[in-house]
Amino acid sequence: AQKVTQAQTEISVVEKEDVTLDCVYETRDTTYYLFWYKQPPSGELVFLIRRNSFDEQNEISGRYSWNFQKSTSSFNFTITASQVVDSAVYFCALSEEWTDKLIFGTGTRLQVFP
Amino acid sequence: AAGVIQSPRHLIKEKRETATLKCYPIPRHDTVYWYQQGPGQDPQFLISFYEKMQSDKGSIPDRFSAQQFSDYHSELNMSSLELGDSALYFCASSLQGGVLNTGELFFGEGSRLTVL
Repeated sequence: AQKVTQAQTEISVVEKEDVTLDCVYETRDTTYYLFWYKQPPSGELVFLIRRNSFDEQNEISGRYSWNFQKSTSSFNFTITASQVVDSAVYFCALSEEWTDKLIFGTGTRLQVFP
Repeated sequence: AAGVIQSPRHLIKEKRETATLKCYPIPRHDTVYWYQQGPGQDPQFLISFYEKMQSDKGSIPDRFSAQQFSDYHSELNMSSLELGDSALYFCASSLQGGVLNTGELFFGEGSRLTVL
């Protein structure tokens, strides 16, 4: 069965600290897609990244970076030099081949203090 | 750029009443998804439509129904409302099959339903 686990319920850091949000997934498919979404206090869901199962290259976008490791079924998200505006709930999500629905993890609430 | 528009943004209903949520996808997007996010919970997939046909179905109660119209907007109808239906309802849209194709789902800001 497909499942996404975000073991960290809440993380608090001080501005400029680096922080890594963990995501572990379960799936029987060989083709699948992994996502990260940000949900700020205003409530909307903001797409951050999509990665398919055949692309294990790490990705960097500004202060954000993602580490995809199939061997450990993990897709971790690191924010470098965190800022107060990064405070949000971050969801990791999975979709499998032949379905277009996202299975979300329970989210990690990140609080960045000035 | 135009985003996904959901209306109403907030809705308060009594138990056993009916509610209708509307979603207007990004222009040219042909796929619409509905998700339900309870308080402190992760979003749960309800249903999706591609080219006005239902494409996938999740944990949508029988009391709920949805459809996608010829202009690609979608409506989620909820009847016999229960307290547990209180949630943030997200609509998302994508182009040409969304997750499996372009990979990007664009979410609206959500409609918050409160059932009293």
